[in-house]
Amino acid sequence: AQKITQTQPGMFVQEKEAVTLDCTYDTSDQSYGLFWYKQPSSGEMIFLIYQGSYDEQNATEGRYSLNFQKARKSANLVISASQLGDSAMYFCAMSFSGGSNYKLTFGKGTLLTVNP
Amino acid sequence: DGGITQSPKYLFRKEGQNVTLSCEQNLNHDAMYWYRQDPGQGLRLIYYSQIVNDFQKGDIAEGYSVSREKKESFPLTVTSAQKNPTAFYLCASSRVWEGRNEQFFGPGTRLTVL
Repeated sequence: AQKITQTQPGMFVQEKEAVTLDCTYDTSDQSYGLFWYKQPSSGEMIFLIYQGSYDEQNATEGRYSLNFQKARKSANLVISASQLGDSAMYFCAMSFSGGSNYKLTFGKGTLLTVNP
Repeated sequence: DGGITQSPKYLFRKEGQNVTLSCEQNLNHDAMYWYRQDPGQGLRLIYYSQIVNDFQKGDIAEGYSVSREKKESFPLTVTSAQKNPTAFYLCASSRVWEGRNEQFFGPGTRLTVL
């Protein structure tokens, strides 16, 4: 069974500094995808970044980058130059395909607070 | 603009009543999903549907029912059999491309049982 673990219930960072949010996963599948979503207090889930298991380079999207270490089964999110608007819950998720089933398994999230 | 709409945003229900949460998408996505989120927790999958007139149970389907009569619509009914229905409900749809299943979410419905 697939499992996502986010060990940091909460993180604090100063504005303009970088922060790393941890995510480890467990799967026996060779083909899978890793996602990070942001959930502000309004509740909507916002897609941030994606990493495929066969991608050789770490994914980047603007200020977001994914530090993918396949052997360690980790997919940490790095946010550079934090902004006050980055304060939110962050969820790591994994997709896997079993036949035609494409489901996402989510971690429990990390609450990030950016201090001015 | 394409997207996913959920209604209502807030819903109050008396114990013993069934309620239906609406989810509509105009992204032309084949797959749709319902998740439940409890305070301080991640998302748990209730039901999902990959094509019209077909759906599968997720991890916590007991006390819920769905239908998928149209590609655009995937309503969720919370029945009186659901013991603890107060939660935040999120609907999503997805496309699969290059082996990647990217899910797009609606704004959510917050259900409170009085």
